[in-house]
Amino acid sequence: QQQVKQSPQSLIVQKGGISIINCAYENTAFDYFPWYQQFPGKGPALLIAIRPDVSEKKEGRFTISFNKSAKQFSLHIMDSQPGDSATYFCAASITGNNRLAFGKGNQVVVIP
Amino acid sequence: NAGVMQNPRHLVRRRGQEARLRCSPVKGHSHVYWYRQLPEEGLKFMVYLQKENIIDESGMPKERFSAEFPKEGPSILRIQQVVRGDSAAYFCASSPSAGSGETQYFGPGTRLLVL
Repeated sequence: QQQVKQSPQSLIVQKGGISIINCAYENTAFDYFPWYQQFPGKGPALLIAIRPDVSEKKEGRFTISFNKSAKQFSLHIMDSQPGDSATYFCAASITGNNRLAFGKGNQVVVIP
Repeated sequence: NAGVMQNPRHLVRRRGQEARLRCSPVKGHSHVYWYRQLPEEGLKFMVYLQKENIIDESGMPKERFSAEFPKEGPSILRIQQVVRGDSAAYFCASSPSAGSGETQYFGPGTRLLVL
């Protein structure tokens, strides 16, 4: 059972454009929502994370938008660059439980 | 300042053999997690360990898989009598303490291929 679902599966964006990846979850007990970036042959690296007490968090070109009532959160990559081409995973966990539940991942390709 | 180290990076085994995957956490981290990633899939939690203790093994298959994190040395994920379905990338992560929101730092993974 996939607890966290991502869409779209893959995304092609022009350099300078905005990449948007969406994530939906079922378990309302989740209270920590990180996004991880993974390059081929590497392990995932934390990009940005949010808790449900805020609706948006921005770090550089990366923004998480969080909609608690819809049980959705999304990652926005502004001014996308070819170096952003990677697989992005959303995840969720519950305070007191260290298990991260990951989505299946979105492959983002930024073309020059 | 070394991150999480995993070895070997690639491992080939024949069906029925044993696979041993090693993970050295970030220096000072006492919490270790193992995840498995199948092709075209996200990471699936397997087990969470602290030094000498298994805290949560709810994601671990009941048979053939075991994990340990001894007082000294790396964490080991052991797969006995491997089958083709065990072929996957196995990632180890570590964190300095427990609690949701504590960043888990991932290693580069061990890619296991079972022939």
